[in-house]
Amino acid sequence: DAEITQSPRHKITETGRQVTLACHQTWNHNNMFWYRQDLGHGLRLIHYSYGVHDTNKGEVSDGYSVSRSNTEDLPLTLESAASSQTSVYFCASSGVLGYEQYFGPGTRLTVT
Amino acid sequence: RKEVEQDPGPFNVPEGATVAFNCTYSNSASQSFFWYRQDCRKEPKLLMSVYSSGNEDGRFTAQLNRASQYISLLIRDSKLSDSATYLCVVNRDDKIIFGKGTRLHILP
Repeated sequence: DAEITQSPRHKITETGRQVTLACHQTWNHNNMFWYRQDLGHGLRLIHYSYGVHDTNKGEVSDGYSVSRSNTEDLPLTLESAASSQTSVYFCASSGVLGYEQYFGPGTRLTVT
Repeated sequence: RKEVEQDPGPFNVPEGATVAFNCTYSNSASQSFFWYRQDCRKEPKLLMSVYSSGNEDGRFTAQLNRASQYISLLIRDSKLSDSATYLCVVNRDDKIIFGKGTRLHILP
């Protein structure tokens, strides 16, 4: 069965360190998304990609970057982790823009 | 004004009751609408799409009112397993916009 996975599921890191969160999907979807979810803010879009070598900034992209070298993976990098980036991060993919998104199980990141 | 707004709740409802939530959206150009469900500490999952004519899936009914720019979700004969956060989602120009969610607690 097709799926979308994220790793690690939990991560504790120190302020200033570079962190990369992995996202891998086997749906063969062109469209992939990274969100963060915090109490009181709901899901906020960080970056998204409509295909290989395509990346776009979302509403909260500062301090984050992504790259898309193949269809299956969209890793999210925190260049220099800050405590404000403590959050739950969800990756999602969709086959058709504007329609159902399939979410990964999330990564809980704590920056100390 | 937020583009998609929901009452955050929580709605505390006895098992077996009917509960309804609304969600308003501000951009009249919004094209399609969805309800997602998110269980505690889990990922969001699509519950149902919302069609102009309204649609029903078992105990769940979704309605769209374009004139007043809101969508609704009705849950009949609520079960303990319906306890979750319900996210209203709007598609505008191929961009998916999530509401912050409404928390529902079904009480035994």
